[in-house]
Amino acid sequence: SQTIHQWPATLVQPVGSPLSLECTVEGTSNPNLYWYRQAAGRGLQLLFYSVGIGQISSEVPQNLSASRPQDRQFILSSKKLLLSDSGFYLCAWSVLAGGSSYNEQFFGPGTRLTVL
Amino acid sequence: GDSVTQMEGPVTLSEEAFLTINCTYTATGYPSLFWYVQYPGEGLQLLLKATKADDKGSNKGFEATYRKETTSFHLEKGSVQVSDSAVYFCALSEGGSYIPTFGRGTSLIVHP
Repeated sequence: SQTIHQWPATLVQPVGSPLSLECTVEGTSNPNLYWYRQAAGRGLQLLFYSVGIGQISSEVPQNLSASRPQDRQFILSSKKLLLSDSGFYLCAWSVLAGGSSYNEQFFGPGTRLTVL
Repeated sequence: GDSVTQMEGPVTLSEEAFLTINCTYTATGYPSLFWYVQYPGEGLQLLLKATKADDKGSNKGFEATYRKETTSFHLEKGSVQVSDSAVYFCALSEGGSYIPTFGRGTSLIVHP
């Protein structure tokens, strides 16, 4: 069966410090990978998605970046955190067959980031 | 572009009450529709889904019917429990698109 891991679970960082959040998926090959942010208030904001190794699409301009060094590994980074980067970060994966609309997503447990 | 509109929350109910959370959508094609649930401090998990018009998705006592004529996918449960307290997200996915569209979420609070 497939599983998705995120770490760390919680993180408290000072403004201006770097960030690295990691997500790995097990039990599937060539997944589509996603990073979402959920600020206080619930809504999901798609930050990045990737349909293959080295292929990253950015949805929202910000001081964050993403990388996919391996098929089932997705990393979210920042060189200098801002207060506004605080939130709940969710990684997700899906497998979308060509032309299919059945893009069910599977989410990780999330990372709670607090920037002080 | 595609959009999903959910009723504003929070929805507050007593245990064993009937639940309806409204969801309507706008899409250019024939999307698949989903309801996800997020319990406090956790990630989202799929609750139910429907892939074509008139399909009914169901799971854990929750149901939703894909209504193409009204572009709706309302979530219902006949008798809610305290453990159903969570945030519920309606979502759609268009054919060939890698990016699903999520609603803003509706918080459900169930009191004993």
